[in-house]
Amino acid sequence: AQKITQTQPGMFVQEKEAVTLDCTYDTSDPSYGLFWYKQPSSGEMIFLIYQGSYDQQNATEGRYSLNFQKARKSANLVISASQLGDSAMYFCAMREGRGGTASKLTFGTGTRLQVTL
Amino acid sequence: GAGVSQSPSNKVTEKGKDVELRCDPISGHTALYWYRQSLGQGLEFLIYFQGNSAPDKSGLPSDRFSAERTGGSVSTLTIQRTQQEDSAVYLCASSSYPISYEQYFGPGTRLTVT
Repeated sequence: AQKITQTQPGMFVQEKEAVTLDCTYDTSDPSYGLFWYKQPSSGEMIFLIYQGSYDQQNATEGRYSLNFQKARKSANLVISASQLGDSAMYFCAMREGRGGTASKLTFGTGTRLQVTL
Repeated sequence: GAGVSQSPSNKVTEKGKDVELRCDPISGHTALYWYRQSLGQGLEFLIYFQGNSAPDKSGLPSDRFSAERTGGSVSTLTIQRTQQEDSAVYLCASSSYPISYEQYFGPGTRLTVT
């Protein structure tokens, strides 16, 4: 089974609108963390936001928020007030377990977001 | 401060040659990771360093791949006898684990094997 599933290969959103990128995960370990990265056409992976499995509140970083629903095993990224510069590939990733060897990331297949005028 | 740097940014090599890819992590980051991004396989983990030791090499695809890290800083990923299927973007990331799990990536090295 896929550990990270991103079901939306591509999404369009109008400038200034909010958009939700879906991510579901599969793990039996109670300790894990979910990440979102942005990869523009330049290729660099840019860290956006992190949510630990024991965190009580949903993570937020500026216009990015993570809608963490533990029971449904989903960790959707919400981008508010979209900007043209948000056009990029977005990857959801997970780490599982405790300790250093649990810090490696497993990635989803990504969602390409296009922001239009 | 300076981010993760990688060199070269692009490398074209002939099948059968050896290549070395370099990663310079964020200063003070003790954890370093190599990943590979290819069209067919997506993003996949290769190896994890904590300091100079590599407690997790489980992602290295074959014994042609090796990596080392010296002085708790710079890391080199070596691919021997390159094959066409090794063509990919090789990404390095570092983190301040155990302080934080957040990983910061370098710009990558695009390897093309002809």
